[in-house]
Amino acid sequence: GIQVEQSPPDLILQEGANSTLRCNFSDSVNNLQWFHQNPWGQLINLFYIPSGTKQNGRLSATTVATERYSLLYISSSQTTDSGVYFCAVEETSGSRLTFGEGTQLTVNP
Amino acid sequence: DAGVIQSPRHEVTEMGQEVTLRCKPISGHDYLFWYRQTMMRGLELLIYFNNNVPIDDSGMPEDRFSAKMPNASFSTLKIQPSEPRDSAVYFCASSLRHAGNTIYFGEGSWLTVV
Repeated sequence: GIQVEQSPPDLILQEGANSTLRCNFSDSVNNLQWFHQNPWGQLINLFYIPSGTKQNGRLSATTVATERYSLLYISSSQTTDSGVYFCAVEETSGSRLTFGEGTQLTVNP
Repeated sequence: DAGVIQSPRHEVTEMGQEVTLRCKPISGHDYLFWYRQTMMRGLELLIYFNNNVPIDDSGMPEDRFSAKMPNASFSTLKIQPSEPRDSAVYFCASSLRHAGNTIYFGEGSWLTVV
């Protein structure tokens, strides 16, 4: 099956800093989503982005499908951004989302 | 929309007992997924349904696990008998799919088997 690798595994920031999270995948995809799992365990959709660039407030994401990677940018980070960020992809051959292992982000005040 | 609704939110049960987790997908969604999250294995797909029909159950760990979707608005995941290694967060998710579409997750059912 498809492999999904996220980096870095852990990231600690001071409030106000910017960061870039990366997701590499091993095959062509129909679907790529970024999720934020907050400290209460909720999985929140951030972006549905199989290709191109999207922005939502302080967050933006870019997927370069031909090169099999996606980036999530967080600008002016806040303590509420803390949690785990997951990239999940769906292969063109199926309907199942495969998750990466996540990036654990801690934003300190 | 109320989102994907799961119950119970938390359950503690003794080894050997039957556990039933419930899910109500978002109205109109035609795909339903059950995921399990553990520290060791991360988020893994157990089974998914399309139009109430199980499509891929290759992620179901063993015969103790079963899932049903009797109608478009309800699904269950059952573990019988439960074991301590089944302790995990079980997520239900749904989507409206045609060549890929956003998948929405419920808040999860936190299961502890002692």
